[in-house]
Parts: sequence; C-alpha cells; structure tokens
Amino acid sequence: DSGVTQTPKHLITATGQRVTLRCSPRSGDLSVYWYQQSLDQGLQFLIQYYNGEERAKGNILERFSAQQFPDLHSELNLSSLELGDSALYFCASSVDQHSTDTQYFGPGTRLTVL
Amino acid sequence: AQSVTQLDSHVSVSEGTPVLLRCNYSSSYSPSLFWYVQHPNKGLQLLLKYTSAATLVKGINGFEAEFKKSETSFHLTKPSAHMSDAAEYFCVVSDRGSTLGRLYFGRGTQLTVWP
Repeated sequence: DSGVTQTPKHLITATGQRVTLRCSPRSGDLSVYWYQQSLDQGLQFLIQYYNGEERAKGNILERFSAQQFPDLHSELNLSSLELGDSALYFCASSVDQHSTDTQYFGPGTRLTVL
Repeated sequence: AQSVTQLDSHVSVSEGTPVLLRCNYSSSYSPSLFWYVQHPNKGLQLLLKYTSAATLVKGINGFEAEFKKSETSFHLTKPSAHMSDAAEYFCVVSDRGSTLGRLYFGRGTQLTVWP
C-alpha cells in the first residue's frame, strides 16, 4: 500500500458526460501528479501540482482540468467524454516537486466511456 | 527532450533463471532513472532509482540496474526469477536538472515466469 488513495476504483459513463476523479496524497507529500495509461499511448503524464499551484503540464486535453485543494487532495475533471478517454488514470504524490523525488502511485481509477 | 525505449515488449524466463529487461534512454540533461513494476490490477511500485550516486543501483526483491552513460542504458537484472516477479515493468526517466517532477515512461516489458 503506497499511502495514495484514489476514488472511485471504477467509473462507467457515456460519451459527452463529465466525471471527477479524486486523489489523496500520502501524508506530508506536497506534490500530486496525474497520469493516463491507455493501450494506445502507454503511460503519459498529464499534470503536476505542488502545494496548490500548477507546476507542469503534459499531454492534457483542454477538456480535462485539475486542481489541488488546501488540504492537498486533488481532483481531475474530465468533460465532454469520448470513447478514446477510456483508460486507467493514476495519481502519484511526492514529498517535494523535484525530478529526483520518488513518486508513489495510487491504485488508479479505471474509466470506461460507452 | 526525454524518452525511454524498452527493447522487449515481452520476456519469458523459467523460475530460477536470470532476468534481463533492457532499457535505453534519451535525455537532454543529466537523467534520473527509475524502474517501476505493475502487478495486475495494481498501481505502480518503485523497484529502484538512479539519481547520480553509484552507477549500480540495488532495489527491492533482489533487482538491480546499472547506469551506463556511454551506452545510454539502464538495464534491469535479477539473478534468479521467482514466480511472484511476473508483472509489467516500466523504465522511466526524468530530467535531474529540472525542478519539475514529470516522469517519462517506456512502453513496458511484460515478464512471464514459467514454473
């Protein structure tokens, strides 16, 4: 158990809908990262937050947005969902924001768009 | 730019024989390198990481990896495979010179261990 929690574990929804994925980092970690794992693209970095501030953006679509709250939990919002958004979404956390910091991954949220 | 190439998408070994999972990286800066393992329906677990100290890095469960700058490689090895090692393994690079923690993942190597 990494100490990172993600809810829900599974999400099934329809095209055009909007969903919110939730992540609680390990106690004491200030950085939160979101990654998408799909068969087509593999594991891709989406976005990083550090202590409530956005720090880096990767291949995140404009239909997706995220935020980190004062209690350091984070939410990833996916809107106007398409079939291709079906994937496993991972959240990770680290104590600081540097590239040498170990990132601890949650169990993931599996999103299925029908 | 950073990128990772995992040279084998699938590796099969017999229990008790050595494991070699190959990884080459490309980095504009001095890299940090990681190996993560993903068991079925589980999250990713860190096996080991290289950040600039010793080039031979020891990790959990008997795994180790050697950073070879001249070959831009970071291959993962284990002397004797166990059934519980069957999983998907990801080689990962980040930019050590950056203040940002973004990770770049390889496409993964599926390890099968035969009894």
